[in-house]
Amino acid sequence: GAGVSQSPSNKVTEKGKDVELRCDPISGHTALYWYRQSLGQGLEFLIYFQGNSAPDKSGLPSDRFSAERTGGSVSTLTIQRTQQEDSAVYLCASSLAGAGVGTDTQYFGPGTRLTVL
Amino acid sequence: GNSVTQMEGPVTLSEEAFLTINCTYTATGYPSLFWYVQYPGEGLQLLLKATKADDKGSNKGFEATYRKETTSFHLEKGSVQVSDSAVYFCALKDGSASKIIFGSGTRLSIRP
Repeated sequence: GAGVSQSPSNKVTEKGKDVELRCDPISGHTALYWYRQSLGQGLEFLIYFQGNSAPDKSGLPSDRFSAERTGGSVSTLTIQRTQQEDSAVYLCASSLAGAGVGTDTQYFGPGTRLTVL
Repeated sequence: GNSVTQMEGPVTLSEEAFLTINCTYTATGYPSLFWYVQYPGEGLQLLLKATKADDKGSNKGFEATYRKETTSFHLEKGSVQVSDSAVYFCALKDGSASKIIFGSGTRLSIRP
């Protein structure tokens, strides 16, 4: 079946602009995650959704970052007033069950490469 | 807190060489352990996993055994190919947590 998809694959924006990144999880997966991959910081967790609610937002780096999920499916990560340090690859993952199930496996999308000029 | 430490790269080997990439972890509970691989220009792919002590995960000729006594999950392959050139990430997930904690990644390059 189809894997996790993300759009756009690349986004170039100017400092101070807002951006929206989209994630389509694997059908039937209740849990959705956002991570960020940058040169200096490696792979960092941002936020976790179970259904439409976000019980773990502990990785969001500032209040300029927000995310929502609707219909238990598609998720959007929004970065307001982008800064150069936001440049990174933003990865989305989904899993069948979510937190509390130790054997649950996360499957990753191809990522969105964000460049802030 | 939970953490993963993996060997620094880059690692360069000749084709058909034996590969080991070391990974050790720190965890308060009994985590699941993973190896993910990122091929050039592609996203993260799950390579293999192990969910309890002494489990062996295997895929595409790669193996890793969950060693609780040494808190390790070393990745091995008996004979590497050029197509194995990629970045390999060791990772853990605590059963009660949502997030995966990743190591810093090891870049592997295989010479023909």
